[in-house]
Amino acid sequence: QKEVEQNSGPLSVPEGAIASLNCTYSDRGSQSFFWYRQYSGKSPELIMSIYSNGDKEDGRFTAQLNKASQYVSLLIRDSQPSDSATYLCAVKGNTGKLIFGQGTTLQVKP
Amino acid sequence: GAGVSQTPSNKVTEKGKYVELRCDPISGHTALYWYRQSLGQGPEFLIYFQGTGAADDSGLPNDRFFAVRPEGSVSTLKIQRTERGDSAVYLCASSYSGRGDEQFFGPGTRLTVL
Repeated sequence: QKEVEQNSGPLSVPEGAIASLNCTYSDRGSQSFFWYRQYSGKSPELIMSIYSNGDKEDGRFTAQLNKASQYVSLLIRDSQPSDSATYLCAVKGNTGKLIFGQGTTLQVKP
Repeated sequence: GAGVSQTPSNKVTEKGKYVELRCDPISGHTALYWYRQSLGQGPEFLIYFQGTGAADDSGLPNDRFFAVRPEGSVSTLKIQRTERGDSAVYLCASSYSGRGDEQFFGPGTRLTVL
């Protein structure tokens, strides 16, 4: 079992729809959770961090964390073609390193 | 302010050669991380520095890989006797302190070993 799992996709949504990206993790001691966006040929860009159970909203993005289910998700409202990218889920335990999933490719079609 | 910078942006070398990759973190960030990313995969942790010392080097694949951060700022990742399997994008990230903080990535160095 991988430590952090994501569906590789592609996830295709029409412009203006809600995109829902999901991630599960295996280490119950994980404390910090992050979503990065990565455009093709570029490096990961941090878009959301979440540390406690529940929802965290930032503009069109909402991160959701459920530690009991070891599940974290990212919702993108009013999806735009410019949101088309790979979204990486990353989990940090009690050490400094991040453990990444393989990423989910999102395609937003005009 | 300036973000994380990495040099070179691209490096092509021959099998068996030695390479050095450099990372300059965000000013004031005490923690620095190296990851590598292969096509279609998420970044894979290599090593983490807190100040000048390596706090966790558990991700270094073998003893051909070594990293230093002598003054607690710039870091150099060194790869000896390069192999074709070392070809990847090497990413550097920094954070303000360490354990809980958000990490910000540099643009990466694409290493190609022929």
